[in-house]
Amino acid sequence: DAGVIQSPRHEVTEMGQEVTLRCKPISGHNSLFWYRQTMMRGLELLIYFNNNVPIDDSGMPEDRFSAKMPNASFSTLKIQPSEPRDSAVYFCASSLKGSRFGYTFGSGTRLTVV
Amino acid sequence: LAKTTQPISMDSYEGQEVNITCSHNNIATNDYITWYQQFPSQGPRFIIQGYKTKVTNEVASLFIPADRKSSTLSLPRVSLSDTAVYYCLVGDPGGGYQKVTFGTGTKLQVIP
Repeated sequence: DAGVIQSPRHEVTEMGQEVTLRCKPISGHNSLFWYRQTMMRGLELLIYFNNNVPIDDSGMPEDRFSAKMPNASFSTLKIQPSEPRDSAVYFCASSLKGSRFGYTFGSGTRLTVV
Repeated sequence: LAKTTQPISMDSYEGQEVNITCSHNNIATNDYITWYQQFPSQGPRFIIQGYKTKVTNEVASLFIPADRKSSTLSLPRVSLSDTAVYYCLVGDPGGGYQKVTFGTGTKLQVIP
């Protein structure tokens, strides 16, 4: 298995533009998580899905952020409009209910909003 | 949610054994303790998981006392490549690790 795949690895965009981050979880995993990491706030859970259904989005900072999981093999995190304070590394992770190996994280997307 | 507390940073010389302790006073019955390692520009990576007593794999050992309110990750004979941030998490595998909170982690610096 190729692991959790995120794209793009790096994204630089201008303030006000729409940004879409993509994630392909490990095949067979039934939970998917979006995290954001900054120096100031560490790793923050934004939203998680169970069997493609959003379960808890209380970590999503504002209405500018939205996430979807149209099927078991794909998820997106969208920021519209983007702001400089959204600059961070965004990680996607997946897990299998009952697994003894926790989360598997992707390599992350480094977002810079200028 | 079980909150975890770890030292912010630690230094160690190459070849030494490193022990990182994590406190999780309100751990629930179904919770397991999982440790992750994160290198710069990478996502956290699973190291080891346990429920009680001692667990060992090819990378590390995990010691959990009977009351399970703390755990200690032990890295034998560290090398420079072990320089990373180590996170302790508490969560229920049966629940898919949902709503697990990462703490600040422990930044381990291995010195030549």
